[in-house]
Amino acid sequence: NAGVTQTPKFQVLKTGQSMTLQCAQDMNHNSMYWYRQDPGMGLRLIYYSASEGTTDKGEVPNGYNVSRLNKREFSLRLESAAPSQTSVYFCASSHGLVGPGELFFGEGSRLTVL
Amino acid sequence: QKEVEQNSGPLSVPEGAIASLNCTYSDRGSQSFFWYRQYSGKSPELIMSIYSNGDKEDGRFTAQLNKASQYVSLLIRDSQPSDSATYLCALVDNSGYALNFGKGTSLLVTP
Repeated sequence: NAGVTQTPKFQVLKTGQSMTLQCAQDMNHNSMYWYRQDPGMGLRLIYYSASEGTTDKGEVPNGYNVSRLNKREFSLRLESAAPSQTSVYFCASSHGLVGPGELFFGEGSRLTVL
Repeated sequence: QKEVEQNSGPLSVPEGAIASLNCTYSDRGSQSFFWYRQYSGKSPELIMSIYSNGDKEDGRFTAQLNKASQYVSLLIRDSQPSDSATYLCALVDNSGYALNFGKGTSLLVTP
């Protein structure tokens, strides 16, 4: 049982390049999330999808777009990467039946923008 | 945004001692609270959740919630070097669908 799988695990981009972070969960969870984690800043919510077919902005959505492709997959796209987007990105999922409950996290994707 | 405050630490305790980690929050209406542990370079994992005032025990871990004073704490008894990690306090955010995390407290348990 893989849980939450993120790809790629590491990526280096140049300013202005675009890329998509992929996330898939095999736990039949309703809700999925993208967080970023920076030193001294904790985990900050970028976007979430409470259920298949819906997406909503979190605390720091600027510069990102998301797609809930189906119940399993939730992707995060950087259209024009900036150095400020250098971070570790975590995808997470939860049952979401009554509030978020326990979040299950992927291993993280470390992104560096030069 | 519901604010969650934690002392960043590091909190250093000797092996076998009790580690006490504290968290305060701004929204008196918050109902659900969580403690996550994150080892260096790894992803967060849930340790405990607490929803009612009082204590909740799970093995060496005890979560304490005081809604009147707006704080939640985590006690780790008989601390082990393997408990050395960052501990994140979280609560359900304004949307009701996601968690808002504190910045975490770094715990170091010394042999």
